[in-house]
Amino acid sequence: SAVISQKPSRDICQRGTSLTIQCQVDSQVTMMFWYRQQPGQSLTLIATANQGSEATYESGFVIDKFPISRPNLTFSTLTVSNMSPEDSSIYLCSVAGTGDGNQPQHFGDGTRLSIL
Amino acid sequence: SQQGEEDPQALSIQEGENATMNCSYKTSINNLQWYRQNSGRGLVHLILIRSNEREKHSGRLRVTLDTSKKSSSLLITASRAADTASYFCASTSGTYKYIFGTGTRLKVLA
Repeated sequence: SAVISQKPSRDICQRGTSLTIQCQVDSQVTMMFWYRQQPGQSLTLIATANQGSEATYESGFVIDKFPISRPNLTFSTLTVSNMSPEDSSIYLCSVAGTGDGNQPQHFGDGTRLSIL
Repeated sequence: SQQGEEDPQALSIQEGENATMNCSYKTSINNLQWYRQNSGRGLVHLILIRSNEREKHSGRLRVTLDTSKKSSSLLITASRAADTASYFCASTSGTYKYIFGTGTRLKVLA
């Protein structure tokens, strides 16, 4: 299975600043996803990172707040912009081999973000 | 919300006992998957059961699926302290979207 490296693993940021989270996969993958997880809660899909085109955002998430890049099939970044305390959360990158939901997802260990 | 529901929310058992957690979902599915999340880590895939399957085993894990009731259960037999984690179900319906359940926090006491 794919090995996913996510950086940074944690950060404490000031409100109003932005942070870019990196996700590196050890093999080429079709699908890359970004999730948000409040401590002790379930996962909420932010967007699907598409290689060579704009990301597909879920309801409630917008590109201005969460710009995503995917320059190739092994790398993606998620930026959390103009952060507020409500953005304090765990951000997870995941990958899957196909876009039909018939394969498991493989996750990075997440980025634990705290906004002061 | 499309989110699946899991119960119990939390479960505490003694080492060696069996742990059962349940997942209910809302729409028809292609498959249902179970994941484990250790504290401070990402999710790890455990098992996938397709909509035309009723039961599946993997080591100490047994998963059942009842599509008429839109529910699934995960049984961990002979639990160990290392099984302490949160467990999530995730359903898919033929698209890229995985609908994750609310999770069950399992604590296995040594």
